[in-house]
Amino acid sequence: RKEVEQDPGPFNVPEGATVAFNCTYSNSASQSFFWYRQDCRKEPKLLMSVYSSGNEDGRFTAQLNRASQYISLLIRDSKLSDSATYLCVVNMNFGNEKLTFGTGTRLTIIP
Amino acid sequence: EAGVTQFPSHSVIEKGQTVTLRCDPISGHDNLYWYRRVMGKEIKFLLHFVKESKQDESGMPNNRFLAERTGGTYSTLKVQPAELEDSGVYFCASSQGFGRSNTGELFFGEGSRLTVL
Repeated sequence: RKEVEQDPGPFNVPEGATVAFNCTYSNSASQSFFWYRQDCRKEPKLLMSVYSSGNEDGRFTAQLNRASQYISLLIRDSKLSDSATYLCVVNMNFGNEKLTFGTGTRLTIIP
Repeated sequence: EAGVTQFPSHSVIEKGQTVTLRCDPISGHDNLYWYRRVMGKEIKFLLHFVKESKQDESGMPNNRFLAERTGGTYSTLKVQPAELEDSGVYFCASSQGFGRSNTGELFFGEGSRLTVL
């Protein structure tokens, strides 16, 4: 079993729609959680951290359920520029950035 | 401010040859990481430097891989001799560290794509 599991997609979504990604992780001792975004042939970039209380950044909302070991990302009013691969990332440690990545979910926003 | 830079962006070599990848982290970042993505797989941790010291090299695949960070500035990752399964994208990333920044954010370079024929 993979340490971080994601639906690879692809998700093809019309502009303006709402899209949700899910991710599960296997290690219950995991300390911190993130969504990274990666454009084609570019580097991964931090989109947002994920907290147990849930957090929002503009059109993006992230949720963490520690009991179910489940992380989600919701994108509202999707834009063409949201097309990218979204990486679910977990840090099982504290005090460093030794990150465990999911394989990523590819999203394409259709005009 | 310059981001993490990596060189070369793409390298094509034959099995058995040697390749050295270079990473220049963001200035002032003590933490430097190497990650790798092989085709169809997830990005995986290789090793972690704090300044010039190897903090964790548990992700290094085997002794054909050697990473150095002399003087605690730039880092090199040498593969010798290269095998077909070493093909992939090698990412370098840096961070200030939890002592100065608690976000856990890593800043990645664009990666060095290695193709072993």
